[in-house]
Formats: sequence, C-alpha cells, structure tokens
Amino acid sequence: DAGITQSPRHKVTETGTPVTLRCHQTENHRYMYWYRQDPGHGLRLIHYSYGVKDTDKGEVSDGYSVSRSKTEDFLLTLESATSSQTSVYFCAISESVAGNSNEQFFGPGTRLTVL
Amino acid sequence: DQQVKQNSPSLSVQEGRISILNCDYTNSMFDYFLWYKKYPAEGPTFLISISSIKDKNEDGRFTVFLNKSAKHLSLHIVPSQPGDSAVYFCAAGGNNRLAFGKGNQVVVIP
Repeated sequence: DAGITQSPRHKVTETGTPVTLRCHQTENHRYMYWYRQDPGHGLRLIHYSYGVKDTDKGEVSDGYSVSRSKTEDFLLTLESATSSQTSVYFCAISESVAGNSNEQFFGPGTRLTVL
Repeated sequence: DQQVKQNSPSLSVQEGRISILNCDYTNSMFDYFLWYKKYPAEGPTFLISISSIKDKNEDGRFTVFLNKSAKHLSLHIVPSQPGDSAVYFCAAGGNNRLAFGKGNQVVVIP
C-alpha cells in the first residue's frame, strides 16, 4: 500500500470556524489531490498539486484553499466551515509516468462534520 | 455536467456468477480509464485500468472492456466472491486528473 496518511481521521467543528486537514505521503510522488465524497455525488476533486507550491483548482474548489510547502505534505483549509462542507475528504497521490495509466492512490479519509 | 456516468446504483449477484458494471463517459479526450473498489470507512483502492488505445485488459478475475466509439466501458468480475461486496467507482483520466462516476454498490450473496 502507498504510504499516505491523513489527519485528523475524524473532526467535528462549528460553522464559521477554520479547519485544516493534512495529507502526508512517504512515496515522494509529484501529484497530490484532495477529493470530497458525498452520497449521490461520488468523488469530486477540490484542489490538486503538481509540485511544491504548484496547485490548481478542481471542480468544487469554492470555500477551500490548499498549500504544499514540502513534497510530502498537502494541506486543505476550510477558511470558514459551513454545514455544506460536511463530508468525507480523501487525499490521493500519483506519479506521472509517460505511457502509464497514472493511477491515483488514496488515503484512508477524514470524516468532517460541521454543526 | 457529469463527465463519467454510472447507472444502476446497486447490483446483487450470486456468489460464483458474473458481475458486470457499466460506465459511460462524455469526453473523447480521456487517455485512460480506471476502476476503483471501496469498502466502508476506507479509501478507494485501485483495481484495474485500461489505456484508450486498447479495448480489453484482464487481471485475474477482473476484466475491463473499452468501446471508444460508444464512449462506454465495463468491468466484469468472474467468478464473484463475497469479498467483492463493495462500492465500485469508474474513473476517466487525462492530464493527471481523474473524473469519477457516482459509484455502484455491489452485493455478492453467498
């Protein structure tokens, strides 16, 4: 299994508070991703990174920011949490190899509840 | 608009029989396609993939078929086992990004 950890694994917070989720990898993979999983929506990309300090938006980026100051860490921040951001958040990593299928490897997830 | 669609949200199949999951996509520029399996309270795990230049890829009990003209792929699991009970996600990729379908719940009945 790819070395990916997420912290915290569970968090309950109140509306309006800032929240930061951490993804840590030991694989030295170039690409890192943040997804959210909600019933009826599958997995939706929030933000991704293609290198240290290189990030880009995904399909549901509003209300989220990210930072990547080291290869191994990718942080997801909810500036002011809302109830609509209650979800399960997954981090993923991948290494782009020409001619390969570039599969992504997922962390165990963080369950976030915003009250 | 959803780029990857998985209809028939749930499937029940008898142990030993074949499970067939279907997936449709809209973007003809996708380079590769993948299937992931997910158990409750765990992250998705990679199952099998196929490049857009192929029409079939097989790995043990799992086979993925790609029909580019129809923008359709399917996953065959044979024989199905109780441990295959999970949610299966179809994904399509290009430029190091993946678009996922909503998933299919598979229940294998012993």
